Amino acid sequence: QVHLQESGPGLVKPSETLSLTCNVSGDSISRSYWSWIRQTPGKGLEWIGYIYYTGVTNYNPSLKSRVTIFLDKSETQFSLNLRSVTAADTAVYYCSRSAKPHYFSYGMDVWGQGTTVTVS
Amino acid sequence: DIVLTQSPGTLSLSPGERATLSCRASQRVSGADLVWYQQKPGQPPRLLIYGASIRASDIPDRFSGSGSGTDFTLTVTRLEPEDFAVYYCQYYEGSLTFGGGTKVEIK
Repeated sequence: QVHLQESGPGLVKPSETLSLTCNVSGDSISRSYWSWIRQTPGKGLEWIGYIYYTGVTNYNPSLKSRVTIFLDKSETQFSLNLRSVTAADTAVYYCSRSAKPHYFSYGMDVWGQGTTVTVS
Repeated sequence: DIVLTQSPGTLSLSPGERATLSCRASQRVSGADLVWYQQKPGQPPRLLIYGASIRASDIPDRFSGSGSGTDFTLTVTRLEPEDFAVYYCQYYEGSLTFGGGTKVEIK
């Protein structure tokens, strides 16, 4: 059974970098698209971006200038860096896997439980 | 950029009733890339439907999706107690966007 688990600081200071890691178990990271999504009461669900197992990335245009998603060399984790954070980046952050290994548009079928990050 | 507008914002129904949820795109989109999720409090979204009408694994057949062009619908034929939740549509074409959600609450 595939399991995703987010980890990282729950509190980040304004202007600093938010760094989260998603640990993947029960599946190979060497296939599929791996995404970060965040959720706030005010803005709902917001896709941050994905990384394909080949290393190709695609980011939400509204966040692109501040985001980096990368694969861990261990091939069991992928990570998110969001630079120059403000209070507007306070959210629950989820990592997820594409439902189909080679097609991103068919949705995301496995999600982590989410981690709350507060910028203050 | 494509904007997905979901309506109604809240749907108040009783168990056993039929729920019809709408997702309208700001421009014509491919149904192949239209997805629906269910989310309960404190949980991540759960994939229900992809390709506008294809149920994901282990999704009961009381859930169905339809639509094309700019108008898509998620239907739950007979609401079970566990179906009261928030439902989101999602579209991807180069960038991914979610609708604002419809909350299905117990009347």
